[in-house]
Amino acid sequence: NAGVTQTPKFRILKIGQSMTLQCTQDMNHNYMYWYRQDPGMGLKLIYYSVGAGITDKGEVPNGYNVSRSTTEDFPLRLELAAPSQTSVYFCASSYSSDRGPWRNSPLHFGNGTRLTVT
Amino acid sequence: KNEVEQSPQNLTAQEGEFITINCSYSVGISALHWLQQHPGGGIVSLFMLSSGKKKHGRLIATINIQEKHSSLHITASHPRDSAVYICAVRWSLRNQFYFGTGTSLTVIP
Repeated sequence: NAGVTQTPKFRILKIGQSMTLQCTQDMNHNYMYWYRQDPGMGLKLIYYSVGAGITDKGEVPNGYNVSRSTTEDFPLRLELAAPSQTSVYFCASSYSSDRGPWRNSPLHFGNGTRLTVT
Repeated sequence: KNEVEQSPQNLTAQEGEFITINCSYSVGISALHWLQQHPGGGIVSLFMLSSGKKKHGRLIATINIQEKHSSLHITASHPRDSAVYICAVRWSLRNQFYFGTGTSLTVIP
């Protein structure tokens, strides 16, 4: 059981370049999230998805886009990279049940992507 | 104001000491999570709890829903416990999480 697989682990971009961070989970989780982690700050939500075909903005969505064409995949697209997007990015997933919170799963994280924009 | 506050921010302990990390939150929650992140590493879930107390090996997590407070205890600390411990809450109104800024723990042999 692979859990949440996130690629790449490291990437250096030049200002203005674009890239896609890949995220796949094999736990049939309905919820998927993208966070960024900056030094001294808590994880900040970029985008999230409650299921295939449904995405919504989080706290810091500017400069990013997502799609959720399948339950398993939730890629994060950076268009026109800027130095402010230098960060560590984490994909996460969880199962949330409408039958009660006791059926919810823990949050599972990918191993992170360290992105530097220069 | 952060929805989740952790204390202390940094903690250094001698091997064998009993350690407590505290978490306070301000929103209604369906669950609270304790996470562990090793330097340069990924984030793993240690506990998910909505009431009472849970224990896993030398780690114990407690929560007081009325006081909106949780604690993570580590008994007989070991250098391999050195990591950042993050408190996260699942907001009851929406299935989103709020995170504390983490407690950086260093256990000295």
